[in-house]
Amino acid sequence: QLQLQESGPGLVKPSETLSLTCSVFGGSIKTTNSYWAWLRQPPGKGLECIGSVHDSGDTYYNPSLKSRLSMSVDASKNQISLRLTSVTTADTAVYFCAKVDEDTLGSNWFDPWGQGILVTVSS
Amino acid sequence: QSVLTQVPSASGTPGQRVSISCSGGGSNLGRNYVYWYQHLPGTAPKLLFYKDNQRPSGVPNRFSASKSGTSASLAISGLRSEDEAVYFCAAWDNSLDVWVFGGGTKLAVL
Repeated sequence: QLQLQESGPGLVKPSETLSLTCSVFGGSIKTTNSYWAWLRQPPGKGLECIGSVHDSGDTYYNPSLKSRLSMSVDASKNQISLRLTSVTTADTAVYFCAKVDEDTLGSNWFDPWGQGILVTVSS
Repeated sequence: QSVLTQVPSASGTPGQRVSISCSGGGSNLGRNYVYWYQHLPGTAPKLLFYKDNQRPSGVPNRFSASKSGTSASLAISGLRSEDEAVYFCAAWDNSLDVWVFGGGTKLAVL
């Protein structure tokens, strides 16, 4: 049973870089051959998919965040990372990581998810 | 404002049947599958249904889901106290080229 856990600073200053790590337990990133996604939910607002990354290096980034975003996979550590530069208070949110599950017909969805980590952008 | 529309709250008493709706448009629910999740704040969201109405193993058959046109619905029968959670829907949007989500419906079991 795969389990995901997000970690990183809970407080980031405006204009600085938000860096988070998602650790995968109960399975190997390499053998799952999956994409891994980051999503976020600002306080009182709906969810947003930030983007996804494969250990091959292939990425999909939300167009609204693309210029500030980078994601990568470290298969040796079984971790996925997220970097979001030049943050503002609008980037305050609970950040989730999730595995992108896929069937043979190409449909995909998020499962499982981590429990999320609150990141506050404030001076 | 979420692209998929859900009422913010719903309630029921133990044993009752409740229904939670998710309304979208032609570029999301009208063309793509809907997915349903159950979320207790502070825990990992749990997949309840994929591809409109497919129930993953481990999800009780008290839960059912359907979709018609640009609207989808999640139903819970034989309501239990442990069903108290936030339920949200998700779908890919072909026009926005992103995943879109409902704002979530907070279900209270009275």
